[in-house]
Amino acid sequence: GAGVSQSPSNKVTEKGKDVELRCDPISGHTALYWYRQSLGQGLEFLIYFQGNSAPDKSGLPSDRFSAERTGGSVSTLTIQRTQQEDSAVYLCASSPRGLYGYTFGSGTRLTVV
Amino acid sequence: AQSVTQLGSHVSVSEGALVLLRCNYSSSVPPYLFWYVQYPNQGLQLLLKYTSAATLVKGINGFEAEFKKSETSFHLTKPSAHMSDAAEYFCAVNTNAGKSTFGDGTTLTVKP
Repeated sequence: GAGVSQSPSNKVTEKGKDVELRCDPISGHTALYWYRQSLGQGLEFLIYFQGNSAPDKSGLPSDRFSAERTGGSVSTLTIQRTQQEDSAVYLCASSPRGLYGYTFGSGTRLTVV
Repeated sequence: AQSVTQLGSHVSVSEGALVLLRCNYSSSVPPYLFWYVQYPNQGLQLLLKYTSAATLVKGINGFEAEFKKSETSFHLTKPSAHMSDAAEYFCAVNTNAGKSTFGDGTTLTVKP
């Protein structure tokens, strides 16, 4: 596609429920990144994909967080048993190579109530 | 290891005045440096990047940044601020083609 597409744009969920966030990167971009942006804070790295592999998942906060990428394209970030501290904007970015800079999606705003 | 420090979480300038947003980095290898802009309720947009070519880098919307190795700095400037420049600006460093590390951001306010 022309840009990085994320869905849903907004998600309100009850504490304890599971959520799935989707990212559709720019066609041909082999690198894909997930970041989290909490209110008034900077960007927190979560995970990085090169193709379908995740060479760096060091930023995942706990084992409730997981992500996968299939076909070298779409990625899904799953949060199990959501907690209120998971509330944030989840940003996805893609790049032909990380050193070229990223193209970001508009993000998914997750609110856990 | 890599890190970025943005000095000043909030900067306010008058319309037409010089914009200067500060960024210092720490890196054990030659870095690639980036500035991104985030307008309200939008994702981040790449403003400009330094990739070891010219040390003075020009970006979109009249912004530019200069890489100074001796000062480990990559400050963002614009000669004359416009109301539409009001946004949050993030500096980022990447050294290994993997993840970029972002600063905490600087919110730019432009007064009429």
